[in-house]
Amino acid sequence: QSVLTQPPSASGTPGQRVTISCSGSFSNIGRSTVNWYQQLPGTAPKLFIYNNDERPSGVPDRFSGSKSGTSASLAISGLQSEDEADYYCAAWDDSLNGPVFGGGTRVTVL
Amino acid sequence: EVQLAESGGGLVQPGGSLRISCVSSGFTFSSFSMNWVRQVPGKGLEWLSYISKGSSSIFYADSVRGRFTISRDNTKNSLYLQMDSLRAEDTAVYYCSRGGMVANLYNYYMDVWGKGTTVTVSS
Repeated sequence: QSVLTQPPSASGTPGQRVTISCSGSFSNIGRSTVNWYQQLPGTAPKLFIYNNDERPSGVPDRFSGSKSGTSASLAISGLQSEDEADYYCAAWDDSLNGPVFGGGTRVTVL
Repeated sequence: EVQLAESGGGLVQPGGSLRISCVSSGFTFSSFSMNWVRQVPGKGLEWLSYISKGSSSIFYADSVRGRFTISRDNTKNSLYLQMDSLRAEDTAVYYCSRGGMVANLYNYYMDVWGKGTTVTVSS
């Protein structure tokens, strides 16, 4: 069981907006910034959003992150087929002294 | 190009030991903290261990504390994970990852990942 809670799946048609939630507690999301990682099938994770809402170079601006209290979300606007992947939220946990991950959300483009 | 490459995975019997390595290239290894993260096939990501750039701070997940030991050799641009008392549930792909340059751990993220090495614990 993961420390951060994400829905196991999300889906949409091309062009739609999809939002993935991530719920935590005061010791992690409540005190730390949230990061999101994308993992394409058969590949290593890749940093997609850091510091709640910042995108590394090369990440399309269709992706946006936000945080409020002990929850965060990742939004994908204008969904595209290449967005099919697993997305993980993560944050440093003060109680566990390390980063904690959500269980991951598989995004499917219908 | 900034890269991390893991090696040393393989098949090991329950109760056995294994040391996996991660060699870096394309950046100043000694300036960054590092981590080990694993993923059981078909499951999510699990952080295992963190080591600061000078090895002064080391943290472990509860699941591996006392069995796994993280270390680094900045002269060889390398990160290691010594795994002892291995169990079947340690079977996974093991990734090394680089920590971002942050002012404090509340803003921590992992910005570079290797491709992983597979560890299988089975008799």
